[in-house]
Amino acid sequence: EAQVTQNPRYLITVTGKKLTVTCSQNMNHEYMSWYRQDPGLGLRQIYYSMNVEVTDKGDVPEGYKVSRKEKRNFPLILESPSPNQTSLYFCASSLQGADGYTFGSGTRLTVV
Amino acid sequence: QQQVKQSPQSLIVQKGGIPIINCAYENTAFDYFPWYQQFPGKGPALLIAIRPDVSEKKEGRFTISFNKSAKQFSLHIMDSQPGDSATYFCAASGTDSWGKLQFGAGTQVVVTP
Repeated sequence: EAQVTQNPRYLITVTGKKLTVTCSQNMNHEYMSWYRQDPGLGLRQIYYSMNVEVTDKGDVPEGYKVSRKEKRNFPLILESPSPNQTSLYFCASSLQGADGYTFGSGTRLTVV
Repeated sequence: QQQVKQSPQSLIVQKGGIPIINCAYENTAFDYFPWYQQFPGKGPALLIAIRPDVSEKKEGRFTISFNKSAKQFSLHIMDSQPGDSATYFCAASGTDSWGKLQFGAGTQVVVTP
């Protein structure tokens, strides 16, 4: 089944403790992206990647890092999480640009 | 500041009614306008999309209307059903930033039986 897989689905952590949210797609898509979803703000793009080793900032990149060492994987790294990064995170992938992003099921992150 | 402004925030209609969601944008470089549907506990899923070379697109009961001069587009759900109850997001992207898709704030639609 064609899908975007994120792990974990739920995560509670403490301020300052580094964490990684994994994302993998099995559709051989070129583009991958991370979004955060907050009430009243919709989905805001954190980072996106056009191909292996090619990434660019979205609208809210502060406090996040990404890497794209393989085509199928695009992990999101929070080096020193803070409570304002408590949010619902989505990974997405597409064959071509922003056309038809397929989203994962989400990761609900709570930073206390 | 959101580059795509969406309204209303929420909407309740009776079964068979036609909920209408509106979006507006400023960036004239935008040339792709998708709508996503999201059910609770799920990720958004692409519903329908339009490019500025057409003024209307229909897929089943979902219709996008596009007004290039006004920089506005809207989603109509014809003959709405309780199963259409979801959050709907408009979005936009442009060839000047390939891969960068910007979303509106979302509209929660409830269709009552």
